[in-house]
Amino acid sequence: AQSVTQLGSHVSVSEGALVLLRCNYSSSVPPYLFWYVQYPNQGLQLLLKYTSAATLVKGINGFEAEFKKSETSFHLTKPSAHMSDAAEYFCAVSTTIQGAQKLVFGQGTRLTINP
Amino acid sequence: GAGVSQSPRYKVAKRGQDVALRCDPISGHVSLFWYQQALGQGPEFLTYFQNEAQLDKSGLPSDRFFAERPEGSVSTLKIQRTQQEDSAVYLCASSLELGGGQPQHFGDGTRLSIL
Repeated sequence: AQSVTQLGSHVSVSEGALVLLRCNYSSSVPPYLFWYVQYPNQGLQLLLKYTSAATLVKGINGFEAEFKKSETSFHLTKPSAHMSDAAEYFCAVSTTIQGAQKLVFGQGTRLTINP
Repeated sequence: GAGVSQSPRYKVAKRGQDVALRCDPISGHVSLFWYQQALGQGPEFLTYFQNEAQLDKSGLPSDRFFAERPEGSVSTLKIQRTQQEDSAVYLCASSLELGGGQPQHFGDGTRLSIL
């Protein structure tokens, strides 16, 4: 079975500061990993995905994530936070087994940006 | 182009009533998924379709939940004899084809409240 753990249900940073959202996964097979962002009363928007190519993945809005197999981690970072980054962020894992591509999500991290 | 469309956006029902939630996926997308998101939680998988075939319904919480996609496009999630614990946001997602690395595109969800 696969699972995702997001460390920290709430993260607060100052505008312009580094954003670091932590995600650790568990998977018995090589995983596909995703970060999604959710704004209030909206669905999930894909930020970036890891699919076994480069371990450092760049996404939209200046976010990037690094896949570290030895640490089973896929942390999300952004060098300089902007007020518009305030939202809920979800890490998710999907198996590479054909026909079983459902996403398993973490509990989410709410990011607050302080002016 | 148009994204995933869900209707209604909000639904209030009395306990015991039946409800039907609709999802219009992105045109041409083969795979369609339903997730349930409880307040303050990450989405949880309910079921998915490849075209009209329901390949996995392991996440449906009870036999009161039923999903269909008869023509391989629009899907309906039906909940019979609703209970208060069914209150949640129901998210629909579609992807271009089946495969673990394919990104899923989410609708804005239907917020279901059971009184």
